[in-house]
Amino acid sequence: DIQMTQSPSTLSASVGDTVTITCRASQSISNWLAWYQQKPGKAPKLLIYRASGLETGVPSRFSGSGSGTEFTLTITSLQPDDFASYYCQHYSSSSWTFGQGTKVEIK
Amino acid sequence: QVQLVESGGGVVQPGRSLRLSCVVSGFTFDSYGMHWVRQAPGKGLEWVAVISYEGRNKDYAGSVKGRFTISRDNSKNTLYLQMNSLRADDTAVYYCAKGPRYDSTPYPQDYWGQGTLVTVSS
Repeated sequence: DIQMTQSPSTLSASVGDTVTITCRASQSISNWLAWYQQKPGKAPKLLIYRASGLETGVPSRFSGSGSGTEFTLTITSLQPDDFASYYCQHYSSSSWTFGQGTKVEIK
Repeated sequence: QVQLVESGGGVVQPGRSLRLSCVVSGFTFDSYGMHWVRQAPGKGLEWVAVISYEGRNKDYAGSVKGRFTISRDNSKNTLYLQMNSLRADDTAVYYCAKGPRYDSTPYPQDYWGQGTLVTVSS
């Protein structure tokens, strides 16, 4: 089974900062990677698909990159609404695995 | 607009059964694969099960295989999760989520319900 490992687990930042979250796969997954945002008590929201595709309606300050085993989610000019937890996910036609999550908190 | 509404959660004793439902609207249900994903209190997301658009193909996480059964009734736009032999570590919020169209390339879950809480406790 493919394992997904995110880092860091927690990230402290201020409004206006640029933050980067890393996700590593235990084996190559090409670009079959998604990123989700989740706020407390709410369902996850899809941000990025195919490693770098921006889901409709998601602000352009969110961007994804990477392929193979290493991926990043970057949030530029962090906004108050962005303080949340973020999850990467490997997906395919037969496998779906989430990373353990990264909480972005206010410094 | 797309809506997914789960129901059926509650408190259940270990070893007992529970069936979750997810009623959907706003898209052609019988053209899309569907998933269940769960989240234990204070923990991360865990994929649970998937079913193909016509209900023929199903797959499960190892932690629930043999105990949980995913099914769907396309005439009722409803997804189900039958959970048997429940254990304390099945305690979680259970989300249903929309998968890709039957004729498309793989795509992540793009719409999610609000979740229903299942608590397994004596």
